[in-house]
Amino acid sequence: GAVVSQHPSRVICKSGTSVKIECRSLDFQATTMFWYRQFPKKSLMLMATSNEGSKATYEQGVEKDKFLINHASLTLSTLTVTSAHPEDSSFYICSASSGSQYSGNTIYFGEGSWLTVV
Amino acid sequence: GDSVTQMEGPVTLSEEAFLTINCTYTATGYPSLFWYVQYPGEGLQLLLKATKADDKGSNKGFEATYRKETTSFHLEKGSVQVSDSAVYFCALNPPRNQGGKLIFGQGTELSVKP
Repeated sequence: GAVVSQHPSRVICKSGTSVKIECRSLDFQATTMFWYRQFPKKSLMLMATSNEGSKATYEQGVEKDKFLINHASLTLSTLTVTSAHPEDSSFYICSASSGSQYSGNTIYFGEGSWLTVV
Repeated sequence: GDSVTQMEGPVTLSEEAFLTINCTYTATGYPSLFWYVQYPGEGLQLLLKATKADDKGSNKGFEATYRKETTSFHLEKGSVQVSDSAVYFCALNPPRNQGGKLIFGQGTELSVKP
């Protein structure tokens, strides 16, 4: 079964509203999670690193005020798309890793969340 | 910075043909290397991985060997099936690990015809 779960899998929201996507690690604690964005027929673009108990680290070009990331516990990170616009429509995927850099990380991906802004 | 380059798609093959999808990388040190597969409308599934030079990852008939001298991790399968039609992503985890951060190639779409 899935070890990293995302919710919702699909969401449609109106332009100007905010939408929250959750990413949960089910069988392990993850101090770090990652959020990616994928445009149709394109690769995955790393948006940010979500750090438990501290601020997220955003990649260059990603608006931190638009894509709010909160990692309040060791098993949950949330991505909130604020004031959504149609161009924010995309597939958002999270990942988390278990283990450590010493024992070897296993990286798990969530199932992804399709966001459509109308 | 670290990067991954894959061969451009789409790749169209007949069933039972031999598959190669090229992947090369740029990284400081020795990253871990991965191949992921994405079926239409779905998330990513780990296909195989290799964590050090000369390691061979294999799964479901797919193989890839970590070649440090050519900084490559080409994906191969001896006989593809229609069910292998998907998009394949090569990725690396930077040497300092950074908690599981992955850098992806652009993806290669594979279409296998009966």
